[in-house]
Amino acid sequence: NAGVMQNPRHLVRRRGQEARLRCSPMKGHSHVYWYRQLPEEGLKFMVYLQKENIIDESGMPKERFSAEFPKEGPSILRIQQVVRGDSAAYFCASSRSRQISYEQYFGPGTRLTVT
Amino acid sequence: AQTVTQSQPEMSVQEAETVTLSCTYDTSESNYYLFWYKQPPSRQMILVIRQEAYKQQNATENRFSVNFQKAAKSFSLKISDSQLGDTAMYFCAFTLNTGNQFYFGTGTSLTVIP
Repeated sequence: NAGVMQNPRHLVRRRGQEARLRCSPMKGHSHVYWYRQLPEEGLKFMVYLQKENIIDESGMPKERFSAEFPKEGPSILRIQQVVRGDSAAYFCASSRSRQISYEQYFGPGTRLTVT
Repeated sequence: AQTVTQSQPEMSVQEAETVTLSCTYDTSESNYYLFWYKQPPSRQMILVIRQEAYKQQNATENRFSVNFQKAAKSFSLKISDSQLGDTAMYFCAFTLNTGNQFYFGTGTSLTVIP
């Protein structure tokens, strides 16, 4: 049973470009969570999605960031017009249902570097 | 607000010895889950141990055990017989029963010295 998959593992973007991060949840999981880890810090919640719905985006920056989880395919975290401060590791987690959201399985992360 | 505090940025321990990592948290809720995660240089987040707040008995997982003091909102991790492979960042975290997100501390960098 494959775990949570994220790609790419490393992404380099120049300032002003767009970054697209992908997350495929574990088989049977329909709930996805995105977290950001800035250097020397712990993970910070960004957004929680269920298939085709954003449930909680309270941790998402108001501008330039968006997330989706379509009916088919992986969840996408999109960062438009990236800036140096967006350089971080972005982790995705998934769970089987909202009732057991405490059982979140984490992916290996995508390290975004903005030059 | 929900917060997690790890007051030890760095720790070291001799191989085969025991080490305790500290964690305190703050929440006004009474039902939640507590976790310790290990993050090796690969950056993969690996679940070490989980504790349900409604359980008084401390969780154990092989060489890893916790000291959960609910009234004090303290959740320390004890690693016995430390091994070189235990070298990693360790994050304390919790989530509410009714919530969606995990709240993480800033981590403790543990080095096991041969």
